[in-house]
This record gives sequence, C-alpha cells and structure tokens, in this order.
Amino acid sequence: KQEVTQIPAALSVPEGENLVLNCSFTDSAIYNLQWFRQDPGKGLTSLLLIQSSQREQTSGRLNASLDKSSGRSTLYIAASQPGDSATYLCAVRPNQAGTALIFGKGTTLSVSS
Amino acid sequence: NAGVTQTPKFRILKIGQSMTLQCTQDMNHNYMYWYRQDPGMGLKLIYYSVGAGITDKGEVPNGYNVSRSTTEDFPLRLELAAPSQTSVYFCASTTGSVNTEAFFGQGTRLTVV
Repeated sequence: KQEVTQIPAALSVPEGENLVLNCSFTDSAIYNLQWFRQDPGKGLTSLLLIQSSQREQTSGRLNASLDKSSGRSTLYIAASQPGDSATYLCAVRPNQAGTALIFGKGTTLSVSS
Repeated sequence: NAGVTQTPKFRILKIGQSMTLQCTQDMNHNYMYWYRQDPGMGLKLIYYSVGAGITDKGEVPNGYNVSRSTTEDFPLRLELAAPSQTSVYFCASTTGSVNTEAFFGQGTRLTVV
C-alpha cells in the first residue's frame, strides 16, 4: 500500500530564508507527484506537478524535485516571504488505472517578518 | 472559468439527518473524487469516479454514497449523519491523462451535533 510521509510536520523560519520541504513515498510506481498549498480554511491550490519521467519543475521561487527510485521529492522555496505561510501538501498518483491521489499529512510553514 | 464548485460551504447537521454535498466541474474532466480532511490526518479518499455511470469506493466509504449521472456532477450523500462525519469535505477532478494536475473545490465544512 502506498504511503506518503512529509517531514517536518511544522516549520518556522524568518523572512528571506531559503527552505526545503520533504516528501517521501513507499512505492515508486507512480504516474506523477503534485505539490499543493492550502491556506487556513481554504481549498487546495496546485503549485507544481512533476511527471514520473521528470526530475524537477520550477515555478517562480518554487522548485520541486523528484527522485522516483528512492521515493523522494523536495519542494524548495527561495527567499521566503510571510505570504508563503500555509500548509504544503504532497500527493502521488499511483500508476494503476482509476486510482486517486494519495496525500501526505502536510508541512505547516510559518514565515515571520 | 469556474473550475470545481462545491456547495454548501458550511453546514450543521443533527445526528441522524441526511444531506447531499454538491460538486460540479466545468472542465469536462472524466475523473472526480471526494476526500475528507480531518485535523492532522491528511486527506482520505471516500469515493471516486472515472466517468459518468462509474463509481468506486475509496479508503473510507462507510456512511456515504455517490452517483455520477453526468460528467459534470458528482454529489456525495450522507444518509444518517454521525459525529464521526464531522470533517471538511473536498471534491476534486482531473482528466484521464496521467500527466495532468488535479483541481480542488473550496471545500464543505460539515459539523454533526
């Protein structure tokens, strides 16, 4: 059974720091991995999608990497800002027809000014 | 472009009452999902559908029912509400292609008292 783990569960950093959020998964048979952002009381906003054949994806100050063979992904946030404060969720899509995203429990990030 | 729309946003139910959570998407996505999110527990899959007329159980289906009569709509039914169903419910959709991102609604916050 696929399991997704995110470490740390919570992270506090001062504004301007670069930081890394970690995601690991137990089964490398995936179609893709997706990073989401969730603000308190809100829905999930997709940040980056990495296909199983890709190593990384970038969007602005965000860079996500994928090492499928070792079951790991990282989300790198450069020059963090208070507006980056949110919960970040990692999800994998197993490579079986009809399967849904399997989520980690998330990392709650707090960036102080 | 509305994306995934969920109604209602908030609801309080009494034990034993029933209700339907509505979800509709305007992106012509074949795949639709219902998740529940409990504090510290991540998102767990309740039911999913790979197309009109096809539904299947996820990880936590007990106490819920779904139907998929059209591509656009995927309602979730609670027949006899219980306090354990107090949660935030999210609907999501994606195409059948394995390399496209999933889109989420804003959620329905349900309290059963």
